[in-house]
Amino acid sequence: GEDVEQSLFLSVREGDSSVINCTYTDSSSTYLYWYKQEPGAGLQLLTYIFSNMDMKQDQRLTVLLNKKDKHLSLRIADTQTGDSAIYFCAESRGGNKLVFGAGTILRVKS
Amino acid sequence: NAGVMQNPRHLVRRRGQEARLRCSPMKGHSHVYWYRQLPEEGLKFMVYLQKENIIDESGMPKERFSAEFPKEGPSILRIQQVVRGDSAAYFCASSGGQDNEQFFGPGTRLTVL
Repeated sequence: GEDVEQSLFLSVREGDSSVINCTYTDSSSTYLYWYKQEPGAGLQLLTYIFSNMDMKQDQRLTVLLNKKDKHLSLRIADTQTGDSAIYFCAESRGGNKLVFGAGTILRVKS
Repeated sequence: NAGVMQNPRHLVRRRGQEARLRCSPMKGHSHVYWYRQLPEEGLKFMVYLQKENIIDESGMPKERFSAEFPKEGPSILRIQQVVRGDSAAYFCASSGGQDNEQFFGPGTRLTVL
């Protein structure tokens, strides 16, 4: 199976909060990342969290890390139609490569 | 300050031909990473290079694929004798150091007919 796992699809209404979940396997990962990919485009780094942190907030984004359960989540407050995209969680391995999940498609309904 | 640049953005090849994908890292970055994204999948690490050196090629297929990052010029990912299964988006990322943030290019979408 995948080293990093994510749910495939999430649908929310505009203005609601979105929560995208991810589980990873390597407890030695130093950084965990959330990337956004819009159709036909490259990856945009949204935010990241260092492994000794529990939470990080950046404007509408909140990242929660449960290191014991190897669970990472991304919460997007006041979700907008422009947030519709694929969201990838990734963990750093050995400092030089990223291991990605398969991505969660977020669809925002107006 | 230009970001990571990749060209071509789209590449069509027939089976058996060669594909050359180019990546110019961000200014000041000397670390380059190549990833492959198959349809409806996440990105898979292929190779990590610094100038003139391959540091980690654990994700590269053993045959037909090679990568280089010369002292001058862009990094090149070369696929010889392409097959249909090579059709994918190939992304390059660069960073200023091994543990630094990786910035991604827009990708090259390879289609093998």
